Amino acid sequence: SAVISQKPSRDICQRGTSLTIQCQVDSQVTMMFWYRQQPGQSLTLIATANQGSEATYESGFVIDKFPISRPNLTFSTLTVSNMSPEDSSIYLCSAAEGAIAKNIQYFGAGTRLSVL
Amino acid sequence: AQKVTQAQTEISVVEKEDVTLDCVYETRDTTYYLFWYKQPPSGELVFLIRRNSFDEQNEISGRYSWNFQKSTSSFNFTITASQVVDSAVYFCALTTNAGGTSYGKLTFGQGTILTVHP
Repeated sequence: SAVISQKPSRDICQRGTSLTIQCQVDSQVTMMFWYRQQPGQSLTLIATANQGSEATYESGFVIDKFPISRPNLTFSTLTVSNMSPEDSSIYLCSAAEGAIAKNIQYFGAGTRLSVL
Repeated sequence: AQKVTQAQTEISVVEKEDVTLDCVYETRDTTYYLFWYKQPPSGELVFLIRRNSFDEQNEISGRYSWNFQKSTSSFNFTITASQVVDSAVYFCALTTNAGGTSYGKLTFGQGTILTVHP
């Protein structure tokens, strides 16, 4: 199974600033995903990040607000831009080792973001 | 559209009790995969099990067992002789082979908070 490391683990940010979250996988993976988990809620997919192509965003999420990079098969970043208190959430990245739907997604420990 | 429903928001049991977490799903695809994840207080999601839509065999792993019934679109999870360390949020999730931009996307249920008291 893939091991996912996320940095930072938590942060407190001021309104209007941006934060970049890093996700490192210990092996090469085809598919990486970014999820948001608002307080007490379930996980919602923000976007799918495959190496060599633009990230694919889910309805309600836009690239200007959540730009994503995927420079290689082991790394991805998510930026939360121009933050507001509504962005306070846990952000999790996941990785699936293959390129087929049945593949297990392994998750990082998440980044707990608080926006003041 | 895919949907996963975990009707039990919170369950509280005393140690050594058995507990069942319910999961009901909806999908129009004939090939799909169901998952259970555990989210302890530390926050990471821990993979527990995957089932595909063609395999209705129940599965047991130690104190954990899963009951998959296509006829009722359910994939329930039972913990036998629960322990305090089982306290966590448990998520049921679904993905399908449908193509397009949703390929590989996990649709999660709302989660069930399980608290096991000593």
